[in-house]
Amino acid sequence: SQTIHQWPATLVQPVGSPLSLECTVEGTSNPNLYWYRQAAGRGLQLLFYSVGIGQISSEVPQNLSASRPQDRQFILSSKKLLLSDSGFYLCAWSPLRKETQYFGPGTRLLVL
Amino acid sequence: KQEVTQIPAALSVPEGENLVLNCSFTDSAIYNLQWFRQDPGKGLTSLLLIQSSQREQTSGRLNASLDKSSGRSTLYIAASQPGDSATYLCAVRGNAGNMLTFGGGTRLMVKP
Repeated sequence: SQTIHQWPATLVQPVGSPLSLECTVEGTSNPNLYWYRQAAGRGLQLLFYSVGIGQISSEVPQNLSASRPQDRQFILSSKKLLLSDSGFYLCAWSPLRKETQYFGPGTRLLVL
Repeated sequence: KQEVTQIPAALSVPEGENLVLNCSFTDSAIYNLQWFRQDPGKGLTSLLLIQSSQREQTSGRLNASLDKSSGRSTLYIAASQPGDSATYLCAVRGNAGNMLTFGGGTRLMVKP
């Protein structure tokens, strides 16, 4: 069966510090991968998606970037965090572009 | 631009009640619609997915309907239980692109 992992589960970082959140998927190959952010009092917003290694599409302009160095690894990064980057970050995968997405447990990021 | 609205934002009911959660979307050109459940501080769990050609989907005590022409979907929960307490999110996927557009969610509390 397929599983999706995210770490860390919780992160507290100062403004201006770098960020690296990792997401890995097991039990499948060539998944579509997604990064979402859920800010307090707001809905989920798609940040990035990837259909293959090295292929990243961004849905909204922002302070963050994403990379896919391996087939089942998706990384969300920032060189300098802003206060507004605080939120709950969710990684998801799907077998095909328009099929059900399966979500990871999430990473709660607090930027102080 | 697709907009998804969920009403009510919060709902508290006694155990055993049947209840309906509402989701509306502005652009009827959708590929499919999904209902998710999110427990506090956790990721999302897919409950039901309705393709644009379908009218409803059922899973156990859950029934989701879709009226694409009017831009509405409902999630019906029969004989509610305290374990149903969670936030329920509706998301629609358009025919183009790779984006799921989420509603703000309905926070459900089922009291024993």
